[in-house]
Amino acid sequence: AQKVTQAQTEISVVEKEDVTLDCVYETRDTTYYLFWYKQPPSGELVFLIRRNSFDEQNEISGRYSWNFQKSTSSFNFTITASQVVDSAVYFCALSPEGEGYQKVTFGTGTKLQVIP
Amino acid sequence: ETGVTQSPTHLIKTRGQQVTLRCSSQSGHNTVSWYQQALGQGPQFIFQYYREEENGRGNFPPRFSGLQFPNYSSELNVNALELDDSALYLCASSPPRTSAIEQYFGPGTRLTVT
Repeated sequence: AQKVTQAQTEISVVEKEDVTLDCVYETRDTTYYLFWYKQPPSGELVFLIRRNSFDEQNEISGRYSWNFQKSTSSFNFTITASQVVDSAVYFCALSPEGEGYQKVTFGTGTKLQVIP
Repeated sequence: ETGVTQSPTHLIKTRGQQVTLRCSSQSGHNTVSWYQQALGQGPQFIFQYYREEENGRGNFPPRFSGLQFPNYSSELNVNALELDDSALYLCASSPPRTSAIEQYFGPGTRLTVT
């Protein structure tokens, strides 16, 4: 069974502060994918990043960075110098790797509010 | 290139009624997945369609059914609506041979059951 836990329900930060969103996952699969999605108030899920379980290299994309640690089953997401436009609900998700259909399991989300 | 579109945007139904939600996949995508997102929760996988056949299903009762058409658009049908069916329904399409690892989501249909 797969499980994704996002313990932080809501976070508020002041603009320009750094913020880290936590994600812990459980899976019995040896190979899998991890994702982060952003959901603004409009409702559409926006893809941010996908990471294969073989690739533990951290990644930075502009103000976004991701820290994948297989040893602790965590895939945390940091926004540097937050902006008001970052206000949204952020979801971490997990999927087995393999041919054909693979179910994606989402966490319950972390609502980020960036205050001007 | 047109993204994933869904219709209608909002819908209000009465308990016991039936509803059909529609999704047009992104050009070139042949797989469609449907998700239910209750308020304050993450999306829950309902089912996936590939080449007009159901390719996988989550923990949803049979009154949730779907169709995929030759142009890869899709419908989600829900019979005998219950109050707990009130949610945002998201559709996602995927390019060939990518399935879950590459999904493009539509804006969703907000269903309210009274």
